Amino acid sequence: GNSVTQMEGPVTLSEEAFLTINCTYTATGYPSLFWYVQYPGEGLQLLLKATKADDKGSNKGFEATYRKETTSFHLEKGSVQVSDSAVYFCALKGSMSGNTPLVFGKGTRLSVIA
Amino acid sequence: NAGVTQTPKFQVLKTGQSMTLQCAQDMNHNSMYWYRQDPGMGLRLIYYSASEGTTDKGEVPNGYNVSRLNKREFSLRLESAAPSQTSVYFCASSDRGPSSAIQEKLFFGSGTQLSVL
Repeated sequence: GNSVTQMEGPVTLSEEAFLTINCTYTATGYPSLFWYVQYPGEGLQLLLKATKADDKGSNKGFEATYRKETTSFHLEKGSVQVSDSAVYFCALKGSMSGNTPLVFGKGTRLSVIA
Repeated sequence: NAGVTQTPKFQVLKTGQSMTLQCAQDMNHNSMYWYRQDPGMGLRLIYYSASEGTTDKGEVPNGYNVSRLNKREFSLRLESAAPSQTSVYFCASSDRGPSSAIQEKLFFGSGTQLSVL
């Protein structure tokens, strides 16, 4: 079945540091890939998405490129801020027929310190 | 802009008690979902409803029941709560069904923190 594997957290960075959160997936066909973010005390919200190979999703300074050859969708940001402290979830939607709700990774907690 | 509203926000139950978690969305979405979030486990799908009148099991349905009351509302019921059901529960909705070939964006509520003693 479809699955998503994220790097274990927590990740602690200083303000303005470079961020990478790794995400790899297993799926048949051509899934759509997502990053969701959960700020403290809130529900998840969509951060960015990519629907086909080599697509780059971007939002709020975050980027992720859909790499089919490595089955990866790593999240990056060049300079993190304290306000980026949150839990980040990689997710996948399968492309095969039938009902295929989103599958989420386990989440990676990011703490950014000033 | 209410979006997805969950009630209650916090609840403490004793083992064996029952309760219903309520969820309502005002975006005229077809699909609704219930997830639970546990440390180290991420989000796991309990049940979902692709459209009004239909419900399907997700990854961890045991111990839960759901009702899609109408297009707006999707409730989750614990008939006999167990300590293993201590978790944060999230309701979500989407205008696309899970069978849609188009990417599906979920809108989440702010969660219900449930403790079962």
